[in-house]
Amino acid sequence: EDQVTQSPEALRLQEGESSSLNCSYTVSGLRGLFWYRQDPGKGPEFLFTLYSAGEEKEKERLKATLTKKESFLHITAPKPEDSATYLCAVQDSGSNYKLTFGKGTLLTVNP
Amino acid sequence: DGGITQSPKYLFRKEGQNVTLSCEQNLNHDAMYWYRQDPGQGLRLIYYSQIVNDFQKGDIAEGYSVSREKKESFPLTVTSAQKNPTAFYLCASSSDRGSGGYTFGSGTRLTVV
Repeated sequence: EDQVTQSPEALRLQEGESSSLNCSYTVSGLRGLFWYRQDPGKGPEFLFTLYSAGEEKEKERLKATLTKKESFLHITAPKPEDSATYLCAVQDSGSNYKLTFGKGTLLTVNP
Repeated sequence: DGGITQSPKYLFRKEGQNVTLSCEQNLNHDAMYWYRQDPGQGLRLIYYSQIVNDFQKGDIAEGYSVSREKKESFPLTVTSAQKNPTAFYLCASSSDRGSGGYTFGSGTRLTVV
């Protein structure tokens, strides 16, 4: 059974204080790993897809990396508007279409 | 702009009632999904559909039903058999077997009164 574990559950940063979120996963074969951002009361917004170990993707202050067992979402010099819940999901190569999600990390960036 | 529209945004259900949540997409995506989100839990898959007139149960299908009569539409009915329906419901769609990720709607919050 596919499993996704995100840590920490919650993270509070000061504006400009860089940090990383972790996503550990267990799948029989990885088709893709996905990062989403979710604001309160809204649907998740797609950020990145990573397909193979060693791959990196960047968008503004966010950088996602992937190893064979985990992914990191690095946040450089965060701003208050980066406050949100960040969700990680994996797609097993043996399962058409289905994504398995972690519980998310609630990030709060204080000014 | 292409996207997914969920309605209503808020829905209240009385005990014993069935309610239907709407989901429409104009992305020309083949696959559509319904997830449920509860506080402190990850998104859990209720049903998904890969093509018109076909759908499969997800991990928590009991008490729910769906239909897929049109490519653009995938309504979810929460039946009276669902004992704990209060949750945030998210509809999503994808192409290419989901390998490019999902596009989500803005969600429907269902509350039992």
